[in-house]
Amino acid sequence: SAVISQKPSRDICQRGTSLTIQCQVDSQVTMMFWYRQQPGQSLTLIATANQGSEATYESGFVIDKFPISRPNLTFSTLTVSNMSPEDSSIYLCSVAGGASWSQETQYFGPGTRLLVL
Amino acid sequence: QKEVEQNSGPLSVPEGAIASLNCTYSDRVSQSFFWYRQYSGKSPELIMSIYSNGDKEDGRFTAQLNKASQYVSLLIRDSQPSDSATYLCAVSPGYQKVTFGTGTKLQVIP
Repeated sequence: SAVISQKPSRDICQRGTSLTIQCQVDSQVTMMFWYRQQPGQSLTLIATANQGSEATYESGFVIDKFPISRPNLTFSTLTVSNMSPEDSSIYLCSVAGGASWSQETQYFGPGTRLLVL
Repeated sequence: QKEVEQNSGPLSVPEGAIASLNCTYSDRVSQSFFWYRQYSGKSPELIMSIYSNGDKEDGRFTAQLNKASQYVSLLIRDSQPSDSATYLCAVSPGYQKVTFGTGTKLQVIP
């Protein structure tokens, strides 16, 4: 079955620094998304990563804080910039569409657990 | 008003019993409905998807959808301790835009 991987799996960072999270899929997908899941909370969509163009951000999330790239149909990055302790969360990428994936259903990567001190 | 509502639980059921998880949603144009299971420290894993009114069965899992009542549920028959997890209800109007509920924590007691 198709595989979604994320790097790093976890990190501890100092406030004011930035972290780039990678999401790699082993087959081409139509859609890639980035979510945040804060402790004890549900998933909140940060943005849709668009291949070859700027990401589409949800209300409350801005490109300066969460720049996203998607250079091709199998890879995306999310950067958490100028981090504060409030950014401590699990960051998840999800995918949908393509030959190996349902168009209607999202499948999640393993997540990146971020702690900001 | 939350768009997708679930009782946070925990819902405790004895091993072998039926666990019933419920979800209501506010957007009447919702077309696609999903149940995800999330073990502690892990990412969500798709269990079931349902698109039309009625029941959909997959092994020990049955999803039930009632669009008129804006209600979707998940039944787990013969519950096992390994079913202990948080179950997330997700709803979509289409175009891959999905809204997640806050999840119901299920505890299956041996």
